Amino acid sequence: EPEVTQTPSHQVTQMGQEVILRCVPISNHLYFYWYRQILGQKVEFLVSFYNNEISEKSEIFDDQFSVERPDGSNFTLKIRSTKLEDSAMYFCASMDDNQPQHFGDGTRLSIL
Amino acid sequence: DQQVKQNSPSLSVQEGRISILNCDYTNSMFDYFLWYKKYPAEGPTFLISISSIKDKNEDGRFTVFLNKSAKHLSLHIVPSQPGDSAVYFCAASEKGGSEKLVFGKGTKLTVNP
Repeated sequence: EPEVTQTPSHQVTQMGQEVILRCVPISNHLYFYWYRQILGQKVEFLVSFYNNEISEKSEIFDDQFSVERPDGSNFTLKIRSTKLEDSAMYFCASMDDNQPQHFGDGTRLSIL
Repeated sequence: DQQVKQNSPSLSVQEGRISILNCDYTNSMFDYFLWYKKYPAEGPTFLISISSIKDKNEDGRFTVFLNKSAKHLSLHIVPSQPGDSAVYFCAASEKGGSEKLVFGKGTKLTVNP
């Protein structure tokens, strides 16, 4: 069964550094999402992406965050200057019309 | 902002019995509801969904019930198996599911052999 693939599984970064989280959505899916889960808290929406542009973003998704679909297969989340509070599990999801969102296994981001 | 609430952080049942997980929501615009299952170190895995035009959807051992007037849904697992032990998330969406998912905090289900 097709899967959403995320790399790396664990990323450790110094505060203030830039980090890029990578995702390969399921082929032929049209809608792409990033969510995050801070330890002990809910899974929360960050951003959705459709037709090569952001369709919705949450309050969390400020100017430090950006997303890109550089080559038609990858979908990346960049955090420009990481803060301690960015430490979380980051999940990528993709979806086709009239289907549920499928999630990757996540990237655990640890900011030191 | 607690648009989707799962009030039971944990549930323990015996193998073979029924597991009932509950979820409440406050946003009347939600029209599509999903249950995801999550094992440690893995992402949420889709389990079952229901549209607001239905009040029940069944898939094998899993049944989801929706009570729109009460803004309540539940997931029934029968019979429960030890492999069902996981965290179960309720999620809701507007516009038939193409919008963002709003998650509950999850219920950790333990099925004892």
